[in-house]
Amino acid sequence: SQTIHQWPATLVQPVGSPLSLECTVEGTSNPNLYWYRQAAGRGLQLLFYSVGIGQISSEVPQNLSASRPQDRQFILSSKKLLLSDSGFYLCAWSVTLYNEQFFGPGTRLTVL
Amino acid sequence: QKEVEQNSGPLSVPEGAIASLNCTYSDRGSQSFFWYRQYSGKSPELIMSIYSNGDKEDGRFTAQLNKASQYVSLLIRDSQPSDSATYLCALLLTGANNLFFGTGTRLTVIP
Repeated sequence: SQTIHQWPATLVQPVGSPLSLECTVEGTSNPNLYWYRQAAGRGLQLLFYSVGIGQISSEVPQNLSASRPQDRQFILSSKKLLLSDSGFYLCAWSVTLYNEQFFGPGTRLTVL
Repeated sequence: QKEVEQNSGPLSVPEGAIASLNCTYSDRGSQSFFWYRQYSGKSPELIMSIYSNGDKEDGRFTAQLNKASQYVSLLIRDSQPSDSATYLCALLLTGANNLFFGTGTRLTVIP
């Protein structure tokens, strides 16, 4: 069966510091991978998605970036965090872009 | 206009009752619809997928899709306190390559 991991689970970072969140998927090959952010009391906002190694599509302009160095690894990064980057970051995977998505446990980021 | 609309609630039902959650959407060409459950502080969990008009049942859950009226519903029979969560509606828009999510309806089942 497929499993999706995210770490760290929680993170508190000062404004202006860098960020690196990691997501890995087990039990499947060539998954589509997604990064979402869920701000407090708000819906899910798609940040990036990837259909393969090195292929990244960005949905919203921001100071975040994503990379996919391996088939089942997806990384979300920032060089300098903003207060507005606080939120619940969720990684998800799907078989194709047109199927249901399955979410990882998430990383709760607080920027102070 | 938002692609996906849900009543934010909260919706409160007594234990054992039927909870009815609704979602409307604006794109008539939407083809795939999903319901997720999200407990407080946790990530969304897929509970139902529906692709064609009509009802789809899975245990205590029934998803209903009406493309002509552009709504999708989730019924939870014999509601339990453990069903208390936020329920997210999601759909795949025509020509899009990712899901669009509603903001969710918070359900509370009262023992």
